Amino acid sequence: ELKVEQNPLFLSMQEGKNYTIYCNYSTTSDRLYWYRQDPGKSLESLFVLLSNGAVKQEGRLMASLDTKARLSTLHITAAVHDLSATYFCAVVRFGGATNKLIFGTGTLLAVQP
Amino acid sequence: EAGVAQSPRYKIIEKRQSVAFWCNPISGHATLYWYQQILGQGPKLLIQFQNNGVVDDSQLPKDRFSAERLKGVDSTLKIQPAKLEDSAVYLCASSFTVGTSGGASETQYFGPGTRLLVL
Repeated sequence: ELKVEQNPLFLSMQEGKNYTIYCNYSTTSDRLYWYRQDPGKSLESLFVLLSNGAVKQEGRLMASLDTKARLSTLHITAAVHDLSATYFCAVVRFGGATNKLIFGTGTLLAVQP
Repeated sequence: EAGVAQSPRYKIIEKRQSVAFWCNPISGHATLYWYQQILGQGPKLLIQFQNNGVVDDSQLPKDRFSAERLKGVDSTLKIQPAKLEDSAVYLCASSFTVGTSGGASETQYFGPGTRLLVL
């Protein structure tokens, strides 16, 4: 059974600082998504990583995928308050005619002024 | 482009009552998903439709949950009877395709969710 773990579960950081969120998964997959969820809102797709070594960047966020280590990272550069949200990674589990997204536990990010 | 629509946004019921949620996916999206998100957790897939056929309902508690997508567009999810542990946000998502090729066409887009509280 595919399990997806994120750490930390909660991250409080100051504006202007850098930090990394880690996403580990237990079985082989070469497709991973990062989503953002604001309080009381739905999930917004940030990145899709499709192969080993994939790197995507958007603004202050950069995501990478290492399929051999079964690890993805979401790096935050010079954090600003607007980045405060919960971030989920989701790994694709392949299974015949259908693929399933298995979500991590989420990382609640609070950026303090 | 309109996003995934869901209604109602909030629902409060007593245990053993019935409730139904409605979802309208993004136009042209063949694949529709229902997820349950319990507070503090990531979403968990309940059921996946490809057009109007079910392709995965392995985690749907079929003794009380049912879902349908009769014309391959809108979908409804029903709970009957509800239990306290069903309190959660029910998210509907859709994607253009599902397959093994990867890419943006398989990205799932989520609706705003229905927040259910069972008392």
